Amino acid sequence: SQKIEQNSEALNIQEGKTATLTCNYTNYSPAYLQWYRQDPGRGPVFLLLIRENEKEKRKERLKVTFDTTLKQSLFHITASQPADSATYLCAPGHGSSNTGKLIFGQGTTLQVKP
Amino acid sequence: EPEVTQTPSHQVTQMGQEVILRCVPISNHLYFYWYRQILGQKVEFLVSFYNNEISEKSEIFDDQFSVERPDGSNFTLKIRSTKLEDSAMYFCASSEELASSDTQYFGPGTRLTVL
Repeated sequence: SQKIEQNSEALNIQEGKTATLTCNYTNYSPAYLQWYRQDPGRGPVFLLLIRENEKEKRKERLKVTFDTTLKQSLFHITASQPADSATYLCAPGHGSSNTGKLIFGQGTTLQVKP
Repeated sequence: EPEVTQTPSHQVTQMGQEVILRCVPISNHLYFYWYRQILGQKVEFLVSFYNNEISEKSEIFDDQFSVERPDGSNFTLKIRSTKLEDSAMYFCASSEELASSDTQYFGPGTRLTVL
């Protein structure tokens, strides 16, 4: 069955460092992958989308890579700030669905310490 | 910036009661979704809705659940007879286009507590 794996352990880093979060998927081949941010008690907020023909996508301090051979996406936040502390969710495109359904990973919680 | 709104923010109900969760999607969006998140677990897809009908539903979305777009702005999720395990955050989302490659905008959620 299709599976999405994100590090369940929280990632703790010092302010100013680069945070790297991992999303692995198995048993399917998404044509795109989305990353969302979720703050406690709030709904997910879209950050970035990367397509299978794009190796890398950037937006301000965010960078996403997509390796379809490894079946992995990496999400980087450079020059991290305490305000970046949140849970980050990946959602590989569900290729067999044409109804917009998003299937999310468990999420990785990032804690940036000042 | 337009946003998805949801009411109420918190709903407490007794097991077996009916609840209706309300959402106002972004006005020019045509595709609507409900997701839920049990405390400490991942966000799970429930149902997608377009053109006044369900496009897709998950295994969670059984006969106890229904959705409706009663007018031009609201989108509701009804749970007919709530169970303890229905306690969760329920998120409404909307998007302009029909594809999971399109950005979905999520509301702030309704926390449902079933006693």
